[in-house]
Amino acid sequence: AQTVTQSQPEMSVQEAETVTLSCTYDTSESDYYLFWYKQPPSRQMILVIRQEAYKQQNATENRFSVNFQKAAKSFSLKISDSQLGDAAMYFCAYLSGGATNKLIFGTGTLLAVQP
Amino acid sequence: DADVTQTPRNRITKTGKRIMLECSQTKGHDRMYWYRQDPGLGLRLIYYSFDVKDINKGEISDGYSVSRQAQAKFSLSLESAIPNQTALYFCATSDPGAETNYGYTFGSGTRLTVV
Repeated sequence: AQTVTQSQPEMSVQEAETVTLSCTYDTSESDYYLFWYKQPPSRQMILVIRQEAYKQQNATENRFSVNFQKAAKSFSLKISDSQLGDAAMYFCAYLSGGATNKLIFGTGTLLAVQP
Repeated sequence: DADVTQTPRNRITKTGKRIMLECSQTKGHDRMYWYRQDPGLGLRLIYYSFDVKDINKGEISDGYSVSRQAQAKFSLSLESAIPNQTALYFCATSDPGAETNYGYTFGSGTRLTVV
């Protein structure tokens, strides 16, 4: 079975600085997708960024980028120029590319942004 | 209107009571899911349905049941609520299309407290 591990329960960053959230996963599959979701205090689940395993190029969305290391099964999220609105819980998630795919989540990292 | 609507948004109920959480969607997606979020545990899958006639147990289905009344409606029931079912519950839909990278859409969650 696939698993997702987020080893940092909490992180803190100064406004305008850069922070990296870690995520590792375990799978024997070759076809899968990886995601980072943001959950602000409003509790809405917001997709931040997605990565297809077959793509070597790391995904980027504005200030958010990932470092996808397929051999190491690592998928970290880098937030540049951190803003107060980035404060939230961040979840890493794995999705199998198979027909019966289901989204599997890590335990989350709570990010605080200090002014 | 939201694409995925959950009702109620918050609910307090007593131990032993039967309670139903409702989810409706306007995405036109066949696939629907119920997740439970607990602090330090992330989101865990309770039940999922890939079409109206398909219901499957997730990793933590004990104590829960579901009903897929239509493509757009997927309800979660707690037959006899207990305090350790206090949690934040999310409904989600997904589109298993490669062009959308299996995009998930989440409701805004139901916070359930069992006293």
